[in-house]
Amino acid sequence: DAGVIQSPRHEVTEMGQEVTLRCKPISGHNSLFWYRQTMMRGLELLIYFNNNVPIDDSGMPEDRFSAKMPNASFSTLKIQPSEPRDSAVYFCATAFTSGSAEQYFGPGTRLTVT
Amino acid sequence: GEDVEQSLFLSVREGDSSVINCTYTDSSSTYLYWYKQEPGAGLQLLTYIFSNMDMKQDQRLTVLLNKKDKHLSLRIADTQTGDSAIYFCAETPASGGSYIPTFGRGTSLIVHP
Repeated sequence: DAGVIQSPRHEVTEMGQEVTLRCKPISGHNSLFWYRQTMMRGLELLIYFNNNVPIDDSGMPEDRFSAKMPNASFSTLKIQPSEPRDSAVYFCATAFTSGSAEQYFGPGTRLTVT
Repeated sequence: GEDVEQSLFLSVREGDSSVINCTYTDSSSTYLYWYKQEPGAGLQLLTYIFSNMDMKQDQRLTVLLNKKDKHLSLRIADTQTGDSAIYFCAETPASGGSYIPTFGRGTSLIVHP
């Protein structure tokens, strides 16, 4: 398996633009997590899907952020409109939620909003 | 709620042992994990332990769990420069159906010659 795949790896955009981050989970994993990592706040959980259903989105900062998981093979995190304070590395992680449920992280998308 | 605490930095000399410590608050049965993050990469699972275990060893890595004190440690024997990274401690409840882990802030391990 290729592991968790994220695209793009880097995104530079101007304030006010829409940004869409993509994630392809490991085949067979039934849970997907979106995280944001910054120096100031560390690793923050944004949203958690189980079997394609959003279970906990309490970490989503505000209405500008939305996430979808239309099927077991794909998820998106969208920011509209983007702001400079959204600059961060965004990680997608997936897991099979049984037993130890260890997470497998993608390489991340480094987002810079100017 | 759950909380996981780690010291932010650790500096060791190449060849020495490194010990990275973590404390957690969840008193229920739980899985505890150590992840490694190298620059520009995502977190990579190193090892995990269930809370009914005291110790787990995997090559140069030794995990010790003191359940009474809710203290977890990761020992890296014969530390190499390639071990320089950020190490995250995390816990996930083993029951209740919630698989949402709580991560610490990470410990930056610096290995110098």
